Order: sequence, then structure tokens, then C-alpha cells
Amino acid sequence: DGGITQSPKYLFRKEGQNVTLSCEQNLNHDAMYWYRQDPGQGLRLIYYSQIVNDFQKGDIAEGYSVSREKKESFPLTVTSAQKNPTAFYLCASSIAGATHRPQHFGDGTRLSIL
Amino acid sequence: KQEVTQIPAALSVPEGENLVLNCSFTDSAIYNLQWFRQDPGKGLTSLLLIQSSQREQTSGRLNASLDKSSGRSTLYIAASQPGDSATYLCAVINNNAGNMLTFGGGTRLMVKP
Repeated sequence: DGGITQSPKYLFRKEGQNVTLSCEQNLNHDAMYWYRQDPGQGLRLIYYSQIVNDFQKGDIAEGYSVSREKKESFPLTVTSAQKNPTAFYLCASSIAGATHRPQHFGDGTRLSIL
Repeated sequence: KQEVTQIPAALSVPEGENLVLNCSFTDSAIYNLQWFRQDPGKGLTSLLLIQSSQREQTSGRLNASLDKSSGRSTLYIAASQPGDSATYLCAVINNNAGNMLTFGGGTRLMVKP
């Protein structure tokens, strides 16, 4: 079955440490997205990529970095510059430009500070 | 900048009741509006997508309407069941936003048996 796989499900970060969240999709989608969700709130866009080797900042990109070297993969690094990283992180993908089709979401990674 | 608001933030109803969830948005220049369901600790599942030229979409016991000019959408759930308990999120794609979704804060629904 096609879908989006996020790993790990739970992740703990020490002070000053960078951590990387994995997102892989086998839906052959060009576009991929990273969202952050804080308790009781909606999702906010961190970064998005419409095509391999290209990505754009979303509303809350500070303290995060991404890469898009393969169509299937869009890893997110939470750097030590992100002072409040505790949140639920969701990855999504879609057919680029197809606004009549919904985005597909992974099951998320919950990041906490040690 | 687009802002999406969902009211109420939480709702508790007895099983079998029909209910309406509300979503409003400030910028009417949207491509589409989507309703998602989120179970605790899980990702989002797409329920209904209404394109800007459409007025409503239906799937089973769910019906979503869109009034773009007034910046409003409603999600109607008929004959609610305990299995409908979840958080419901609405989101819009703006015409100039490259397919990025702007989300509301969600409505947390509890259906009591």
C-alpha cells in the first residue's frame, strides 16, 4: 500500500543537540511538507518542497533545516537554534499543483526535550 | 494573511445526535477547503475536499458546505457515533500559496454512548 512513513515515532533531544526526523513516501508525489502541531492547536507550516533539490520556508522555519535529494524523502532537522522544539511533527505529500486532491499525512513524530 | 478559525474548540454530544462544526476564514481567495480528522497521537485523515467552485461535498454521514463569499464552511455529522470522537480540522489553500494548507485550531469532538 502507498503511504507516508515517519520515523521515529518518539524522539528525545538533549540541549544543544541537532536531531533529524525522517519522512519517506511511496506515492510518487512531487510535493512534500513539514508541519508542526502544538497541543490543542492546528498545524503550522515549517518547510515545503515542490520538486527535488528545491524547498521553501514556511511560516515558522527558524531553527529548522531540510533537504530534498530524492523524490521519496524529505528529512527535517531540528537544530539547537530551535529553542522550543517540543511538539508533534507531521509530514505530508501531494501531487504538485493538484488542488483538487488532498494532502496525505504520515502518523507523526513526537519530539520532547530531555 | 489568511486566518482560519474553528468554533467550538470542544464539543460533547450524546450518541445519535446530529451536529455541526464551524470553520471561518478571512481571505476568500481560496482554491479549496478541506476537512480532516485526527485521532489522538495520529496523523490527519482527509474527510472531504470542497473546491472553490463547489458548494458542498458529501461522504456517508458527513456533509461539508462552503460559502466562499462569507468565508464560512460547516461540517455536518448525522447520527453521531462514539467512533466519531476525534479532533476535526479544517484547512484552506489560498490561490497564491502554492498548495500550502492554512489550518484552523480544530474542534475536539466527544460522542458519548
